Amino acid sequence: DAGVIQSPRHEVTEMGQEVTLRCKPISGHNSLFWYRQTMMRGLELLIYFNNNVPIDDSGMPEDRFSAKMPNASFSTLKIQPSEPRDSAVYFCASRKDFQETQYFGPGTRLLVL
Amino acid sequence: QQQVKQSPQSLIVQKGGISIINCAYENTAFDYFPWYQQFPGKGPALLIAIRPDVSEKKEGRFTISFNKSAKQFSLHIMDSQPGDSATYFCAATQETSGSRLTFGEGTQLTVNP
Repeated sequence: DAGVIQSPRHEVTEMGQEVTLRCKPISGHNSLFWYRQTMMRGLELLIYFNNNVPIDDSGMPEDRFSAKMPNASFSTLKIQPSEPRDSAVYFCASRKDFQETQYFGPGTRLLVL
Repeated sequence: QQQVKQSPQSLIVQKGGISIINCAYENTAFDYFPWYQQFPGKGPALLIAIRPDVSEKKEGRFTISFNKSAKQFSLHIMDSQPGDSATYFCAATQETSGSRLTFGEGTQLTVNP
């Protein structure tokens, strides 16, 4: 089992640029979660999908953030335009229905200059 | 009401000692309480979890104590080892919420040799 796969692992970009983070959940998992981790705010849930449908996006900071899950094996989190305050580690996690455990990917460390 | 408060923020323990991390919650609808362990550069990973129908759960050197009336739960690490040095997060969720986890602020544990 490859676990949750995220790419890129590191991203450095300039303010105003578009950033796309990618996630491949564990095969067979029905739910997918995007989190953001910062020193100031800890781990925050941004959005989660169940069976490819967004269920709760109340954690998405603002319209600059968007997430899609076109199929069961792929999701993207896009920031356009990016700002320095978006610098954080972004985690993707997946879970199988009727199981409580969420499995986290290794994260994408984003730095916006 | 969705918050989970965690303390201490950081903890230093000598090898062989007991590490204790505490969490408190407000939402009485929470019914699943996991602890996640995170090593530098990695995503959080489930360590141990408990449901409110039991007061204690033990797995190896790790024990969760749960006090439903006080709305508190704690992680005890017995015989702490340098390899236990990591950040620990408590979390809580209500199963009907689709496993949306509310995380505590995290505790950075350092176990000195």
